[in-house]
Amino acid sequence: EIQLLQSGGGFVQPGKSLRLSCVTSGFDFHASAMNWVRQAPGQGLEWVAGISVTGAKTLYADSVKGRFIISRDNSEDTLYLQMNSLGAEDTALYYCVKDGYNLGDFLDHWGQGVLVTVSS
Amino acid sequence: SSEVTQDPVVSVALGQTVTITCHGDILTFSYASWYLQKPGQAPVLVLYGYNNRPSGIPDRFSGSYSGNTASLTITGAQAEDEAVYYCQSRDFRATHLVFGGGTKLTVL
Repeated sequence: EIQLLQSGGGFVQPGKSLRLSCVTSGFDFHASAMNWVRQAPGQGLEWVAGISVTGAKTLYADSVKGRFIISRDNSEDTLYLQMNSLGAEDTALYYCVKDGYNLGDFLDHWGQGVLVTVSS
Repeated sequence: SSEVTQDPVVSVALGQTVTITCHGDILTFSYASWYLQKPGQAPVLVLYGYNNRPSGIPDRFSGSYSGNTASLTITGAQAEDEAVYYCQSRDFRATHLVFGGGTKLTVL
């Protein structure tokens, strides 16, 4: 069974940083592209970032580029999202998502989501 | 434009057929994927590629394309199909993933 266990969410002040983690199991993590997708309260889905199987290629939404960093540790089957200079607009439920094939093809398994709240 | 757009609300009578559409120029060269999301739950992939269903998705879900429009059709809608449906694709340079705004499907 594929599992994506997320952690690291919480309450943070504007301008601060937070790192999300996603520990995976049940599939070949080193052979899977991965993504982060977020959902603001009561809103739709917004893709945040994606990373290739080796980590050599990373993609970012314009709204987070330069502030967020996606990375992976294939030896630990873990995906990360380092979020810096957080603002209220970053308040959302963040999902760790496995790619079905190549980066961005389709998103076939989703984590349970972790809530990030940015507020003073 | 690299956007995809969806009608916000669609309804269907129980057992009838409903089509949910996704419009965007990027759909002329890139496939759409479809996800359903029920309240308080993570999204679930229901269709990808030309017309592929992941394991466990009922065959009443099917997909099609015409021009810049991708469609998700549910043949014989069930009460459990009531959800928000999102389409997703990639932009022209494949550097961004794009989601539609979602369609809330009500099964009457």
